[in-house]
Amino acid sequence: SQQGEEDPQALSIQEGENATMNCSYKTSINNLQWYRQNSGRGLVHLILIRSNEREKHSGRLRVTLDTSKKSSSLLITASRAADTASYFCATDLTGANSKLTFGKGITLSVRP
Amino acid sequence: DVKVTQSSRYLVKRTGEKVFLECVQDMDHENMFWYRQDPGLGLRLIYFSYDVKMKEKGDIPEGYSVSREKKERFSLILESASTNQTSMYLCASSGVGQSNFYEQYFGPGTRLTVT
Repeated sequence: SQQGEEDPQALSIQEGENATMNCSYKTSINNLQWYRQNSGRGLVHLILIRSNEREKHSGRLRVTLDTSKKSSSLLITASRAADTASYFCATDLTGANSKLTFGKGITLSVRP
Repeated sequence: DVKVTQSSRYLVKRTGEKVFLECVQDMDHENMFWYRQDPGLGLRLIYFSYDVKMKEKGDIPEGYSVSREKKERFSLILESASTNQTSMYLCASSGVGQSNFYEQYFGPGTRLTVT
């Protein structure tokens, strides 16, 4: 199965609400990354959290990492219609030497 | 800003044709990757390359080959296209960033249809 698995598969919220997306993984990692993909386009890197970090912020994004539970969460605060996209977590496995393993993605819909 | 370009946004080919997908990056990145993306399956790694003339198989290399003759260019080749290779193909590159971790930069994708 996939190394990184996101939850939920799909999320629909109202503009202004917060969106929380989760990712679980199975083996030891160097870091975990979140990417966004707008419909039919390439992925864009959002944020990276190292294995020795617990929380990181970037603008309206907050990511947490719990290595004991092998899980991460991405929080988007005060969501906007423009946040509608698919979100992927990707794990940089220990010893993988730059190769990332992506999850299947979460589809976020933000209703205006 | 890093720019990764792919030769075509949309491509339609016939079964049995040889297909070339080209990817070029302008940031002198060592690493380049080819993925395919299918609904419900996420991104799956086909091949990657750490350096010129070097290649490594990913998770689903069957039916594909690659070429990296120059550092900035990574080509994906479908030797004899089949309908089950209809997919979105994404190229990415990465180098050692400021944090010494590898963030990947993606091209816009090529949607290939094999009829």
